[in-house]
Amino acid sequence: EAGVVQSPRYKIIEKKQPVAFWCNPISGHNTLYWYLQNLGQGPELLIRYENEEAVDDSQLPKDRFSAERLKGVDSTLKIQPAELGDSAVYLCASSTPPSGELFFGEGSRLTVL
Amino acid sequence: SQQGEEDPQALSIQEGENATMNCSYKTSINNLQWYRQNSGRGLVHLILIRSNEREKHSGRLRVTLDTSKKSSSLLITASRAADTASYFCASVGGNKLVFGAGTILRVKS
Repeated sequence: EAGVVQSPRYKIIEKKQPVAFWCNPISGHNTLYWYLQNLGQGPELLIRYENEEAVDDSQLPKDRFSAERLKGVDSTLKIQPAELGDSAVYLCASSTPPSGELFFGEGSRLTVL
Repeated sequence: SQQGEEDPQALSIQEGENATMNCSYKTSINNLQWYRQNSGRGLVHLILIRSNEREKHSGRLRVTLDTSKKSSSLLITASRAADTASYFCASVGGNKLVFGAGTILRVKS
């Protein structure tokens, strides 16, 4: 069974440029999460989806971040425009049921110059 | 920060020794989970303990949970060099999962 797939693994951009990350969760997992992980810290939730509905986006900086999960399967996280402080690893995870174990992708490491 | 706390922040031990990591959380929980993260990789689930359980074992892992103190501990017995990684606890209340800041474990061979 394929795990959670994320792309790209690495991205380097200039500040003020847009960037997008893609995630394909494990088949059949209705719950999808996007986490932000700064160096030396634990993951912090950006947004959680139940199927195609964003049920917790309270920590998503909506002025520059957006996310979508069309058809309740794969998801895209976008930052526009990127700032220096957005340099971090963006992790995608999926689970079923919602309070069970999470399966993580390898992450997308963003460097903003 | 909404993150839970873990201690120690870093731990260095010799191969064969036991490693103990502690986690404190802030709200009532349904369960508490422990994850491992190798450098540059995603997190991998290790073990889940429910709020009505006090201790759980899985291979060389032993997890305890004290809901009255809002704390948990992870014990890795007979550590190996391959156990070198960061370890995170995650408290689950409702459908909200909150990670701690993690413990960096280094096992020297």
